Amino acid sequence: QSALTQPASVSGSPGQSITISCTGSSSDVGSYNNYVSWYQQHPGKAPKLVIYDVTNRPSGVSNRFSGSKSGNTASLTISGLLPEDEADYYCSSYIITSTLGVFGGGTKVTVL
Amino acid sequence: QVQLVESGGGLVKPGGSLRLSCVASGFTFSEYYMSWIRQGPGNRLEWVSSMSTSSYSPHTNYADSVRGRFTISRDNAKNSLYLQMNGLRVEDTAVYYCARVTRIAATGNVPLAADNWGQGTLVTVSS
Repeated sequence: QSALTQPASVSGSPGQSITISCTGSSSDVGSYNNYVSWYQQHPGKAPKLVIYDVTNRPSGVSNRFSGSKSGNTASLTISGLLPEDEADYYCSSYIITSTLGVFGGGTKVTVL
Repeated sequence: QVQLVESGGGLVKPGGSLRLSCVASGFTFSEYYMSWIRQGPGNRLEWVSSMSTSSYSPHTNYADSVRGRFTISRDNAKNSLYLQMNGLRVEDTAVYYCARVTRIAATGNVPLAADNWGQGTLVTVSS
């Protein structure tokens, strides 16, 4: 199945807010359920779950991370940008045509 | 704390086999679905396989790209997850992560989110 579409890069200054988009189709992101998750990955490290079920944060994840969805596009917003937020971010979604999810291509976030 | 430690990666020729292992600690392993997720060239992530909690009558899912070649299994008594990889191809080259699944879809046993990942083990398929 095709990967979800994310911008290659997004940048912002410390303290600003940025939003990363994740565009799919009615078969995945836009399907009736809210099964989108987001992961943060620093270089050389394993991915870390920061959002699941579109809007939910796992315990221990900063409330500066928030998620939303509209139609076939999900979004991750990072508010009050910090230097440690510089990382790659990946979205993932349930897809009705498969028994496993699908990932986006990743977005590199740069803190200027 | 939750720990997942993979092993078994390495360099193998096309057509060869490898068996990856993942030892879990810090949580009740038998209560969680587990998955293998890989990250290949270009850093693209791909769900490879997932397995339900039971060792004896499990529900397993596979990516189309590996179905028929890879087999996931687990030994709850040893807190271990495995991935037997046969008929390896160049395109299977990737870092393979063992991951604890925290959310499952209401139908189809589809893993939706993984809240803990191992450090990964590198599999290189090359002649």
